[in-house]
Amino acid sequence: DAGITQSPRYKITETGRQVTLMCHQTWSHSYMFWYRQDLGHGLRLIYYSAAADITDKGEVPDGYVVSRSKTENFPLTLESATRSQTSVYFCASSAASHDGYTFGSGTRLTVV
Amino acid sequence: AQKVTQAQTEISVVEKEDVTLDCVYETRDTTYYLFWYKQPPSGELVFLIRRNSFDEQNEISGRYSWNFQKSTSSFNFTITASQVVDSAVYFCALSDSGAGSYQLTFGKGTKLSVIP
Repeated sequence: DAGITQSPRYKITETGRQVTLMCHQTWSHSYMFWYRQDLGHGLRLIYYSAAADITDKGEVPDGYVVSRSKTENFPLTLESATRSQTSVYFCASSAASHDGYTFGSGTRLTVV
Repeated sequence: AQKVTQAQTEISVVEKEDVTLDCVYETRDTTYYLFWYKQPPSGELVFLIRRNSFDEQNEISGRYSWNFQKSTSSFNFTITASQVVDSAVYFCALSDSGAGSYQLTFGKGTKLSVIP
């Protein structure tokens, strides 16, 4: 099906473990983004990508790593999870600059 | 630096009432884009509208309308005759023409509860 999909939908992990959140879009959109949503903070940009092999930091990148070897995939890795990274993570894509984003359904991550 | 302020954290209205959600933005650019997104209780984020800084015409889509005023740096969203299905968190967002201009900066959201 066309669209943007995130996996897993829910994840519980332990402090110190590495965890990867997946994001896949079928539109060949150039731009992809990772946001985290926390109460009181709204949506904050973690990393973004303008094209394959081009990524850059957003507002809150510490503790996260991204890659984009293929246009359609934009995985987000927490190298050593901490409790402060408990959040809902949204991936989004956009065809062009200044277009509205299309968001995935989100991944609810709990770090215990 | 760009900034979006949604001063109303939570609003409750009775069904069929009209409600306006406020959004005030800050940017140094003359070219910028404003957006509204809806996040219903199910959690997904739904795009509602995009407006560029050169188009100050108000827009109406069914029961939804948007009022863009550059003079007050505001982009307010009104729901007419609210319904229970309008209950959601609404986010206003901004992108400008600076470096990384395709990034959106979001406000913290306004939670709207429509009571039957």
